[in-house]
Amino acid sequence: EVQLVESGGGLVQPGGSLRLSCAASGFTFSSYEMNWVRQAPGKGLEWVSYISSSGSTIYYADSVKGRFTISRDNAKNSLYLQMNSLRAEDTAVYYCARTGTTMGDAFDIWGQGTMVTVSS
Amino acid sequence: SYELTQPPSVSVSPGQTARITCSGDALPKQYAYWYQQKPGQAPVLVIYKDSERPSGIPERFSGSSSGTTVTLTISGVQAEDEADYYCQSADSSGTYRGVFGGGTKLTVL
Repeated sequence: EVQLVESGGGLVQPGGSLRLSCAASGFTFSSYEMNWVRQAPGKGLEWVSYISSSGSTIYYADSVKGRFTISRDNAKNSLYLQMNSLRAEDTAVYYCARTGTTMGDAFDIWGQGTMVTVSS
Repeated sequence: SYELTQPPSVSVSPGQTARITCSGDALPKQYAYWYQQKPGQAPVLVIYKDSERPSGIPERFSGSSSGTTVTLTISGVQAEDEADYYCQSADSSGTYRGVFGGGTKLTVL
């Protein structure tokens, strides 16, 4: 079964750091581009970051640029998001999402999400 | 930054046709994608490349494009279609890989 499972969320104080992980299974992880997407409570979806299949190309939303770092370990079938200098407005469910190879840039597989709460 | 504009809400009765629009300046040059999200669940892709339907998505879901507007059409709406719907695309440079519209709440009356 094709699956993405996020972990690492939790409660963190403003200014703190957190590292999210996304474990992939059921497909050849190294062949796929990956993304992080977040959703604040009661709000819409916000794309956060993109990484190419090899990790050589990376993009960030302006809202997280300079604070968040996306990375991947293809040998471990894992995607990561290092989040530093966290703010209250970073509070959200964070999803990892796969960019399909036959559907343009569609996010064809999503994880169940992990909640990040930034509060003192 | 690039923006996609959706109506906040659309309401239809069961069996009727729902149309949800998404507007953006780069849509003539970039594909659009549509996702359905039910409460407490992850989004699900329902339309890709403006009008293609992934396997497993009911035929009542369709997509179209005209100029700077793309439209998700749900024909013969069913109660189970009540959800939030999001369009997604990229700006003309392709740098912003995942710009999302604000979302549309579809209510089945």
